[in-house]
Order: sequence, then structure tokens, then C-alpha cells
Amino acid sequence: GAGVSQTPSNKVTEKGKYVELRCDPISGHTALYWYRQSLGQGPEFLIYFQGTGAADDSGLPNDRFFAVRPEGSVSTLKIQRTERGDSAVYLCASSLTPVLGHYGYTFGSGTRLTVV
Amino acid sequence: DAKTTQPTSMDCAEGRAANLPCNHSTISGNEYVYWYRQIHSQGPQYIIHGLKNNETNEMASLIITEDRKSSTLILPHATLRDTAVYYCIVRVNSGNTPLVFGKGTRLSVIA
Repeated sequence: GAGVSQTPSNKVTEKGKYVELRCDPISGHTALYWYRQSLGQGPEFLIYFQGTGAADDSGLPNDRFFAVRPEGSVSTLKIQRTERGDSAVYLCASSLTPVLGHYGYTFGSGTRLTVV
Repeated sequence: DAKTTQPTSMDCAEGRAANLPCNHSTISGNEYVYWYRQIHSQGPQYIIHGLKNNETNEMASLIITEDRKSSTLILPHATLRDTAVYYCIVRVNSGNTPLVFGKGTRLSVIA
């Protein structure tokens, strides 16, 4: 597709349940990023993939959060034992990866997760 | 990454230039200044970035002071569609360093 696609756009789940959020990056983009955004705040970095490997997962808040990108394209963010504090918009972005310089990140529209 | 300071909110009349300031007094020599914006219910969108020279593209101009401790993003003729939160970010220019967003400036363009 032309942009970054995230599914579902909205997800309501009960406290304690497991959820998976999917990101389809732009074809050919080697870098993929997950962020989450709470109301009134800027996006908060979670994890960055370069190809299939997690190059930086320092933003994951705890071990309930996990993300994979097995074939270097689609990525899934997995949250176990969801808590009400996990409610947020989860954003995915992709970009080319230069040795130096910066290619603008292209963000998806996000998945709004609500834990009730 | 160095921290940035931006006003919480600003208003601008439609058709006028919007000048969004950003302070980054602790910026390092190898850190660039990036601007992104986020329109309501969408993901952030890249606008422009620069090191020390002024930069211009089809969306905006970026003016960086000579000491690099502050910068201004200029939207030359603001429209209602420019209403968004604008984020100023400083970051080393490496493909392996994720962007770190602050709270940004909420720009309201008024008809």
C-alpha cells in the first residue's frame, strides 16, 4: 500500500486479556518503530526494528510488552495481561535506513487501545 | 538526546506566517533539529530538519540561530489545515537513533 497500515484501528479489551496490534509498513522500508501516545502527550518510543531484529527495545515499559517482525516486514506488538494504564494510541512508523542522515518517518494512523 | 522547550500553544491568523519557536540550548555539535507535526487523529508527519544552515522545502522553512541554541519553524501562509501539534526534536543524525518526542506546540490557525 501507499502508507503504513495499522490494524485494528480500535480495540477494546478487558483487563487481564492478551492483545495483538499489527503494523504493515511501507514496502521496502527496513526500519520500523512502535510508539504509544497517551492523551495530551507526545508519542513515547517503545521499540525499533532494523530488518527482523529489535535494534532498540529500551522503551518497552515492562515484560508484558513484546514485539516481533519475523520476516522484516509486518510487525506485531503483543501485550499480555493488559492493564487499564495500557490504554493509549499505539503508533507504528517505518522508514528507510541511511547510514547517515534521516529519512522522514511515515506513521500510521494508530490503534486506539482501551482496556476496561 | 538534548531536550527542547516549546510553547504549549499558539494561535495564527489564516494566511499569515506562523512562526513556531524552539529552544535547545544544550544541543550537541552532532545533533540535528527535526520538526514533525501531528494533525488530530493522525500519526505525526515529517516536516523538515537541519544542522546549522537554514532549510526550506515545500512545507516550511527552518531558521537555526548561529549558536544553534534555538530555531524557528516558519509556515509562510498558514491555512486551517495547518492546525496541529508541532514537535521540535534534536537528535544525532544516525539511522539507528529513534526520535524522542516532547509535548510540542499546539498551533491553532484561525479564520
